[in-house]
Amino acid sequence: EVQLVESGGGLVQPGGSLRLSCAASGFTFSDHYMDWVRQTPGKGLEWVGRSKNKANFYTTEYAASVKGRFTVSRDDSKNSLYLQMNSLKTEDTAVYHCTTAGSSGYEIAWGQGTMVTVSS
Amino acid sequence: DIQMTQSPSTLSASVGDRVTITCRASQSISSWLAWYQQKPGKAPKLLIYKASSLESGVPSRFSGSGSGTEFTLTISSLQPDDFATYYCQQYSSYPLTFGGGTKVEIQ
Repeated sequence: EVQLVESGGGLVQPGGSLRLSCAASGFTFSDHYMDWVRQTPGKGLEWVGRSKNKANFYTTEYAASVKGRFTVSRDDSKNSLYLQMNSLKTEDTAVYHCTTAGSSGYEIAWGQGTMVTVSS
Repeated sequence: DIQMTQSPSTLSASVGDRVTITCRASQSISSWLAWYQQKPGKAPKLLIYKASSLESGVPSRFSGSGSGTEFTLTISSLQPDDFATYYCQQYSSYPLTFGGGTKVEIQ
């Protein structure tokens, strides 16, 4: 059974940083693209970024709204995905979901998410 | 960016009804479209990929169709478990984008 468990969310001030983690199990992590998708009540679902697999040189892709501030990384030896978030803004407040996208592009499975609140 | 527009935003229906949700892309995405179901307090769940392929374990009352810019998700006979919010997503090009969602409510 695929399991994705996020951690690291919390309250942070505008301009601050936070690092989210996602522990994966139940599938061959190193073969899969991995994504972060965030969700807010007002804006629905927003794709944040992707780490492709080793076969695709761990290439990353980002939404324009986070490019230059957020970094997606992975450690295949630990079956873990990370999201380093810098220069946080109030509009980054959301539940952040880790997802596995296989190599096909769509979100095959989702974690429950971790809440990030950016507020002074 | 490719914009995804879902309609309606809310739909009221009864158990046993046939329900259709539409998703339109701002430019052609071929068949690179997925549909997800989300219940309150839960993560989204994949229903359909490549516009019409049913994910393993998803009931056959769910079906998807379309290509290019216009797509539909159909529930042939609405069941109590199907009251939820549904989202489409294009994965034709980056950034991946989602529709705004369709909430299916009990009439």
